[in-house]
Amino acid sequence: EAGVAQSPRYKIIEKRQSVAFWCNPISGHATLYWYQQILGQGPKLLIQFQNNGVVDDSQLPKDRFSAERLKGVDSTLKIQPAKLEDSAVYLCASKGGRNTDTQYFGPGTRLTVL
Amino acid sequence: GIQVEQSPPDLILQEGANSTLRCNFSDSVNNLQWFHQNPWGQLINLFYIPSGTKQNGRLSATTVATERYSLLYISSSQTTDSGVYFCAVGGSQGNLIFGKGTKLSVKP
Repeated sequence: EAGVAQSPRYKIIEKRQSVAFWCNPISGHATLYWYQQILGQGPKLLIQFQNNGVVDDSQLPKDRFSAERLKGVDSTLKIQPAKLEDSAVYLCASKGGRNTDTQYFGPGTRLTVL
Repeated sequence: GIQVEQSPPDLILQEGANSTLRCNFSDSVNNLQWFHQNPWGQLINLFYIPSGTKQNGRLSATTVATERYSLLYISSSQTTDSGVYFCAVGGSQGNLIFGKGTKLSVKP
């Protein structure tokens, strides 16, 4: 079974530019999460989808961050415009199928904002 | 919201030594997972353990839900065990709330 896929793996941009990240969850997983992990800290939830609907986006900075999961499978997370403090690893996770308790994480996208 | 505290924050071991990592949480939870984040940043599931004890090779975990803590045991540590170990507990919407992690370094 293929794991959670993310791209790109690394991205360097200048502040005020925009950037987008892509996630393909494990096949059949209805729940998808985006987390932000700042260096030295644990991951923090940004947004949670159930199929193509948003369950929780209370911690998403909506003035600059947006996310969508149009067909209930792949998801994109966008930052526009980026700030220096957005430098972090962005992790995608999914849950579902036979095991509805365990979240599985992708390799992450490391974003550096200069 | 739920608070998750992990200890110790840093741990240095000689290869072959045993260790115990602790996770305290501030409220009742129905989900608790332990992860290992390798030096390349990949989060690897170790255990789903909201209560009870589980073992997988040299690793084992115990959660005492009534006392709001979980322990991760690593026996006969190897250099490949190095990395950051995270405890995460379930939030109200099914998301995970992570602790700050324990950074483990195993020296040859």
